[in-house]
Amino acid sequence: DIQMTQSPSSLSASVGDRVTITCQASQDISNYLNWYQQKPGKAPKLLIYDASNLETGVPSRFSGSGSGTDFTFTISSLQPEDIATYYCQQYDNLMVTFGPGTKVDIK
Amino acid sequence: QVQLQESGPGLVKPSQTLSLTCTVSGGSISSGSYYWSWIRQPAGKGLEWIGRIYTSGSTNYNPSLKSRVTISVDTSKNQFSLKLSSVTAADTAVYYCAREALSSSFPRYYYGMDVWGQGTTVTVSS
Repeated sequence: DIQMTQSPSSLSASVGDRVTITCQASQDISNYLNWYQQKPGKAPKLLIYDASNLETGVPSRFSGSGSGTDFTFTISSLQPEDIATYYCQQYDNLMVTFGPGTKVDIK
Repeated sequence: QVQLQESGPGLVKPSQTLSLTCTVSGGSISSGSYYWSWIRQPAGKGLEWIGRIYTSGSTNYNPSLKSRVTISVDTSKNQFSLKLSSVTAADTAVYYCAREALSSSFPRYYYGMDVWGQGTTVTVSS
């Protein structure tokens, strides 16, 4: 099984700050890495697919990069509505696992 | 646009079988290269993928749950369903259904879960 780690597990930042979350896979997953945003009481929302592709309708302040085992998710300018937990998700050989999540709030 | 809605009992007794249905509206469950998945989330915890089905009936399951999970599809009703047997308190969670875009044959791709239901809470308790 491929294990996913995310760091940090939580962070506090000010409005307008650049926020970066990292995700690491236990083995090479090429670019089969997606990022989701989940607000309290809501279903997750797909933000980034294939490591770096922005889902339709998602603001351009969100971005992703990486391949292989190391991936990065960035919010270029944190907005109040970005308060949420962010999950990475990998796909390999028909199996899916999610990272443990990163909780983002406003300082 | 496509919408998903979970339905089923909110309370299940230990050792019994949890049964949920996801109804697809706004589009056909048979259109496009989409798979249909179940994911769960215990309160305050992370997301766990349970499994998926294609409209052909082909399924993939999380190995940790495989012995207890059955996912089926009813294309005439535009629905797919989850059965989880021998439940315990550890199966208490919010259960989500989702649409998943992937191709397992050339050219391979995986575009993630782009449409989700709102989730339904299932509690396992006597």
